[in-house]
Amino acid sequence: RKEVEQDPGPFNVPEGATVAFNCTYSNSASQSFFWYRQDCRKEPKLLMSVYSSGNEDGRFTAQLNRASQYISLLIRDSKLSDSATYLCVVNQAGTALIFGKGTTLSVSS
Amino acid sequence: DAGITQSPRHKVTETGTPVTLRCHQTENHRYMYWYRQDPGHGLRLIHYSYGVKDTDKGEVSDGYSVSRSKTEDFLLTLESATSSQTSVYFCAISELGLANEQFFGPGTRLTVL
Repeated sequence: RKEVEQDPGPFNVPEGATVAFNCTYSNSASQSFFWYRQDCRKEPKLLMSVYSSGNEDGRFTAQLNRASQYISLLIRDSKLSDSATYLCVVNQAGTALIFGKGTTLSVSS
Repeated sequence: DAGITQSPRHKVTETGTPVTLRCHQTENHRYMYWYRQDPGHGLRLIHYSYGVKDTDKGEVSDGYSVSRSKTEDFLLTLESATSSQTSVYFCAISELGLANEQFFGPGTRLTVL
């Protein structure tokens, strides 16, 4: 089983849609979880950290399910500008971060 | 945006030549990282540094060396570039350690012919 797995997509949605991405991780000792966003030919940028209690930032909501070892990202009211690749990131037992390969989102008008 | 720059931003070189990529930060963060990103792979850690002159290997360190003589600079060297090292290289920094949020530079696109 790969350490961090994401559905590569692409997810094609219209503006205003709600879309959710899941990410599973294999190391039950993982402690830190993040979602990054990467635009085409650009660097990854931190979107949000994921906390055990879940957290929300505007239209974005992140959830952590430790029992099932997955994290999720929900985007409400999608905008054209949300089109990007979303990277799931998990730490490996206190050592280096492990990056998923990313899920591609395309929002169309 | 975090103050991270990378140079050069683009480079084309030939197999067998040495190449050095530079990462410069103005944030005074202790940790610095070099990643490579290739199609079909996530970001993969090459080397990282946890202080001046303190470095360690990452997942894909073969063929690469690093140096950090100042807090703000982290150099990645390909002693003898190979075509398999054609990639996009990202530098990242973090303040608190390996398991904490990282901030990335704009990347260097390297092509080895």
